[in-house]
Amino acid sequence: ETGVTQSPTHLIKTRGQQVTLRCSSQSGHNTVSWYQQALGQGPQFIFQYYREEENGRGNFPPRFSGLQFPNYSSELNVNALELDDSALYLCASSPGVRTGSYEQYFGPGTRLTVT
Amino acid sequence: KQEVTQIPAALSVPEGENLVLNCSFTDSAIYNLQWFRQDPGKGLTSLLLIQSSQREQTSGRLNASLDKSSGRSTLYIAASQPGDSATYLCAVGFGNEKLTFGTGTRLTIIP
Repeated sequence: ETGVTQSPTHLIKTRGQQVTLRCSSQSGHNTVSWYQQALGQGPQFIFQYYREEENGRGNFPPRFSGLQFPNYSSELNVNALELDDSALYLCASSPGVRTGSYEQYFGPGTRLTVT
Repeated sequence: KQEVTQIPAALSVPEGENLVLNCSFTDSAIYNLQWFRQDPGKGLTSLLLIQSSQREQTSGRLNASLDKSSGRSTLYIAASQPGDSATYLCAVGFGNEKLTFGTGTRLTIIP
């Protein structure tokens, strides 16, 4: 069983640019969540997708957007990058309703640096 | 608004000692609680998941307890090893929704 994978591993962007981060869910998982983790902090919830629909959103501006595809892979898009967007972006998948446990499995993360 | 607190923020103990990490949360109406391990610059590794109906879970040298009524969880690590050095995060969940994380305890095991 393949775990959660994310790409790219590292990324350097300039303020004002746009970025797309990608996540492949663990096999059989239909729920994907994205988190932002600033240095020295716990992860903060950005949003969640369940069966291709947004299923909750944290306190992040609209320039953070996402997609979930029929194969349950997902993208996180960030427009008009700001220096404070520099962080580790984590994707997590969950089997959700199928098992009832809602345990979340995290990928290795994408380190985004905005200069 | 759910708030999760982990104390202490950092902990150093000699190899071989048993230790306890603490997690507290303000809203007791949780569905589950997860403990994670994070190595520097890496993703999260799930250690233990406790459902709200459970009191504790064990995996090897790790034991996590949950007291919903008091809003507390502990992670007990027996016979600590240098490889246990990492940041430990607890997170509470409300079913098929977001996890709310604490800021973590950075654990260092001294050989």
